[in-house]
Amino acid sequence: DAGVIQSPRHEVTEMGQEVTLRCKPISGHDYLFWYRQTMMRGLELLIYFNNNVPIDDSGMPEDRFSAKMPNASFSTLKIQPSEPRDSAVYFCASSFYGTGRYGYTFGSGTRLTVV
Amino acid sequence: ELKVEQNPLFLSMQEGKNYTIYCNYSTTSDRLYWYRQDPGKSLESLFVLLSNGAVKQEGRLMASLDTKARLSTLHITAAVHDLSATYFCAVDIPGSARQLTFGSGTQLTVLP
Repeated sequence: DAGVIQSPRHEVTEMGQEVTLRCKPISGHDYLFWYRQTMMRGLELLIYFNNNVPIDDSGMPEDRFSAKMPNASFSTLKIQPSEPRDSAVYFCASSFYGTGRYGYTFGSGTRLTVV
Repeated sequence: ELKVEQNPLFLSMQEGKNYTIYCNYSTTSDRLYWYRQDPGKSLESLFVLLSNGAVKQEGRLMASLDTKARLSTLHITAAVHDLSATYFCAVDIPGSARQLTFGSGTQLTVLP
């Protein structure tokens, strides 16, 4: 299994531009999570999906952030318009809570820099 | 609101020494996770602790869980430089929608 795949690995964009981060979860996993990591705030849960349905988006900081999961193998996190304070590492993680299986598998992350 | 606190936040230790990282959490839970993160890298799962009294060991690392005290420890034995990383604990609330709440992390530096 290739694990959780995120793209791009690095993104540098100008303030005001739209940014789209992509994630392919592990096949068969039924939960998908988007986290943001910064030095100041640590790891914050932004939103998560169960069977492609958004369950809790209370961590999404503003209306500028949106996430979709059109099918079981793909999710996007979009920021429009982007601002310098959105600079962070964004992680996608997936999981499957079957018998004897717990915890997340994280992707490699997308390092976003908004200038 | 679930709070997960780790201490210390920063730890420098000499090779060959022992030390313990502590993880306290504020709400009843019987599932706790430890992750390792190297600089610029993703989070790697180390241990999953699923019940009170659970103890797991891998190499020089041993993790334990006391659900009554709401405390988990990560013990490092005879540290080596390769263990330098940031270690996170995370808690999964039973009956929740499975999201993990992470501690702030402990940045471990093992000095020669």
